[in-house]
Amino acid sequence: NSKVIQTPRYLVKGQGQKAKMRCIPEKGHPVVFWYQQNKNNEFKFLINFQNQEVLQQIDMTEKRFSAECPSNSPCSLEIQSSEAGDSALYLCASSWENSDYTFGSGTRLLVI
Amino acid sequence: GDSVTQTEGLVTLTEGLPVMLNCTYQTIYSNPFLFWYVQHLNESPRLLLKSFTDNKRTEHQGFHATLHKSSSSFHLQKSSAQLSDSALYYCALSTGGYKVVFGSGTRLLVSP
Repeated sequence: NSKVIQTPRYLVKGQGQKAKMRCIPEKGHPVVFWYQQNKNNEFKFLINFQNQEVLQQIDMTEKRFSAECPSNSPCSLEIQSSEAGDSALYLCASSWENSDYTFGSGTRLLVI
Repeated sequence: GDSVTQTEGLVTLTEGLPVMLNCTYQTIYSNPFLFWYVQHLNESPRLLLKSFTDNKRTEHQGFHATLHKSSSSFHLQKSSAQLSDSALYYCALSTGGYKVVFGSGTRLLVSP
């Protein structure tokens, strides 16, 4: 069982709907990452946080996604207006600085 | 920017034969961290091996890899493939920042 908890496991949304997923990082890990794994199994980095602050994010995330990692609450990633191309597995991971990741089980999003 | 290249998208082997999955990387950072992650079907990726020491072999669960900075390589090897080794294998690179760059992955299929 992963020490990074992601919910929900599956998410089905219509185009234009909001899609929100959550992640509880491994206890004590200060850095949290979100990746999108597409149908070709490729990883796309979306955003990362250190202690609630955004470190890096890609342009797509800045424009269409909102993400936060408040203290004492789960981290979240929300797509403001889902598109068919957003259908993918969304993986949350946490780590110590400059260390290996612990991944969650992922949220599989289907946009119909 | 930093990149990781895995030249084989698919490797098919008969059980008992040796495994070698290629990984090369590009970075200007002189002290990279290299990782191998394994992802079994319907599971999240988990760490298999990691290294930051040049020319030192690292081993775990029968797999081994050696970071060679002279050739920018971190190939994954195993002396004898097992059916349970069938999975996706990702080579990944960290360069002292917070983001890990993943290769495109190699699917290993081991048959009886």
